[in-house]
Amino acid sequence: EVQLVESGGDLVQPGRSLRLSCVASGFTFGDFAMHWVRQSPGKGLEWVSGISWNSGSVGYADSVKGRFTISRDNAKNSLYLQMNSLRAEDTAFYYCAKDIGQLIMTGWFDPWGQGTLVTVSS
Amino acid sequence: DIQMTQSPSSLSASIGDSVTITCRASQNINRFLNWYQQKPGKAPKLLIYAASSLQSGVPSRFSGGGSGTDFTLTISSLQPEDFATYYCQQSFSTRMCSFGQGTKLEIK
Repeated sequence: EVQLVESGGDLVQPGRSLRLSCVASGFTFGDFAMHWVRQSPGKGLEWVSGISWNSGSVGYADSVKGRFTISRDNAKNSLYLQMNSLRAEDTAFYYCAKDIGQLIMTGWFDPWGQGTLVTVSS
Repeated sequence: DIQMTQSPSSLSASIGDSVTITCRASQNINRFLNWYQQKPGKAPKLLIYAASSLQSGVPSRFSGGGSGTDFTLTISSLQPEDFATYYCQQSFSTRMCSFGQGTKLEIK
């Protein structure tokens, strides 16, 4: 069974940094692109960032470009999101999601983790 | 950036009804359109990818259509477990994906 478990969410002050992690199991992690998607409480979904299977291609939403960095460690079956210069509007549940394309980035997300909550407030 | 607009934002229907949700892209995205279902407190679930391909395990009462800029998600014979929020998502640009604002389907 494919499982994605996020961690690292916390209450943090504006301007500070936070690193999220997602540990994967149940599939060959190194063969699949991965993504981060966020959802502010009671609001819709916003794609944040994606990374190809070999880290050769990455993308970011305009809202986080220059502040967030996605990375992965295939040896540890882990995906990361380094979030710097956090703002109140970054408050959200952050989900990691597996791309369903093997060795390609399709932008089709399945499955998703359960999410980790990031709250940015003074 | 590609903007995705769903309609309606909310919808009321009864068990057994058929409903259709529409999604419009701000530019031609061919068939790079996916649909997700989200229930309260849960992560989203992929229903349909590439406009009309049913993800494994998804009931056949769900169907998708369209191409270019206009797409639809149809749920025939609504079941109690179908009441949820539905999102469309474009994957034309895999390095800049985007979602619609969501359609909340409620029981009448």
